[in-house]
Amino acid sequence: QTVVTQGPPFSVSPGGTVTLTCGLSSGSVSTFYYPSWYQQTPGQTPRTLIYNTDTRSSGVPDRFSGSILGNKAALTITGVQAEDESDYYCVLYMGSGIWVFGGGTKLTVL
Amino acid sequence: EVQVVESGGGLVQPGGSLRLSCAASTFTSRDYWMSWVRQAPGKGLEWVANIKQDGSEKYYVDSVKGRFTISRDNAKNLVYLQMNSLRVEDTAVYYCVKVGSWYWFDPWGQGTLVTVSS
Repeated sequence: QTVVTQGPPFSVSPGGTVTLTCGLSSGSVSTFYYPSWYQQTPGQTPRTLIYNTDTRSSGVPDRFSGSILGNKAALTITGVQAEDESDYYCVLYMGSGIWVFGGGTKLTVL
Repeated sequence: EVQVVESGGGLVQPGGSLRLSCAASTFTSRDYWMSWVRQAPGKGLEWVANIKQDGSEKYYVDSVKGRFTISRDNAKNLVYLQMNSLRVEDTAVYYCVKVGSWYWFDPWGQGTLVTVSS
């Protein structure tokens, strides 16, 4: 069974840059998995940040960007702000009508 | 503005059934694939099921196959999730989401909480 892997919790200082990754237990992530990214603060519903690898959802600040880095999908936040402290989830489309979410990465802004 | 509204959650005993409903308020759900995504307390997101615009194709995560059924009533702009043989591990907030053209989920409603407990 395919597992989507996300990294350990991250800590970053305000104004810093952080890159969160989304990989596969077996194989490489490519644009054909149509990676998307979601932000969720405790007690809130998820918010869509990025879809189709690198397209920002409406209203998402341009400090959020998506890409493929090596064999993983990546979400980069530049100029991190306190309000960015959240859980971040990626999801990959596996084909045949099936999606798999990663386990999420908790981002702390110190 | 909330664009999808989920309802039908509640407390049910193991082995019981519930039917969740999803109403879209600012888009016509019959034009899109629609999915259900769930989140157990303190856990991450999990894709559960999705359904094609005309209901001809349905897909499920392995853990709910044979127990859950996704359906839709396009005349009423509603999507459903019939959940049978519920287990404690099905306890979660269930979100109904539109599947965008590039295989992404948006918008997200408030979800509806399903608690399976004796």
